[in-house]
Amino acid sequence: SQKIEQNSEALNIQEGKTATLTCNYTNYSPAYLQWYRQDPGRGPVFLLLIRENEKEKRKERLKVTFDTTLKQSLFHITASQPADSATYLCALEDLGAGSYQLTFGKGTKLSVIP
Amino acid sequence: DTEVTQTPKHLVMGMTNKKSLKCEQHMGHRAMYWYKQKAKKPPELMFVYSYEKLSINESVPSRFSPECPNSSLLNLHLHALQPEDSALYLCASSRKRLAGENIQYFGAGTRLSVL
Repeated sequence: SQKIEQNSEALNIQEGKTATLTCNYTNYSPAYLQWYRQDPGRGPVFLLLIRENEKEKRKERLKVTFDTTLKQSLFHITASQPADSATYLCALEDLGAGSYQLTFGKGTKLSVIP
Repeated sequence: DTEVTQTPKHLVMGMTNKKSLKCEQHMGHRAMYWYKQKAKKPPELMFVYSYEKLSINESVPSRFSPECPNSSLLNLHLHALQPEDSALYLCASSRKRLAGENIQYFGAGTRLSVL
């Protein structure tokens, strides 16, 4: 069966450190992978999209990698700040399904401790 | 304007009520979506409209009835809901339903409680 797994439900890190979140998938053939941030009681906000032929994408303090051999994406936040505390969702766009819809992982709740 | 506006923000309804959720975007997006999200779970796709036509219905019970009156508006009509339908209902839009064009912009959601 198809699965998207985000490594942990919750991750606590100290302010200033790098947070690394993991997204693993099975039985998907994603051409694109997206990361979203969701604050409590709010809708997800798009952060980054990475294509299957891209190894790495950066935006300010954010970096995403995509390894289609390992079937894994890593999401890094460098120099983390308390304002980065939120739930981060990965989402796959599976061309194999032919529908281009996104399927979301359960998310990792990140807490950055001052 | 990169905003998707959802109304109302909160809704409490009885199991015999009829209510509607509304969603509006003015980004010229041609794909619009309804998702349902329970606490500590990911958003679950309910319906997809592409160019104002319903293209995906993820086996949603008929007590949920979507409507897309025009390219900017999306409604979700609710009737005879069950308490287990209580959730955050999210609307989203994307430029198109094409590979790599599927970045979704979400509204803030409607928090629905069914008593």
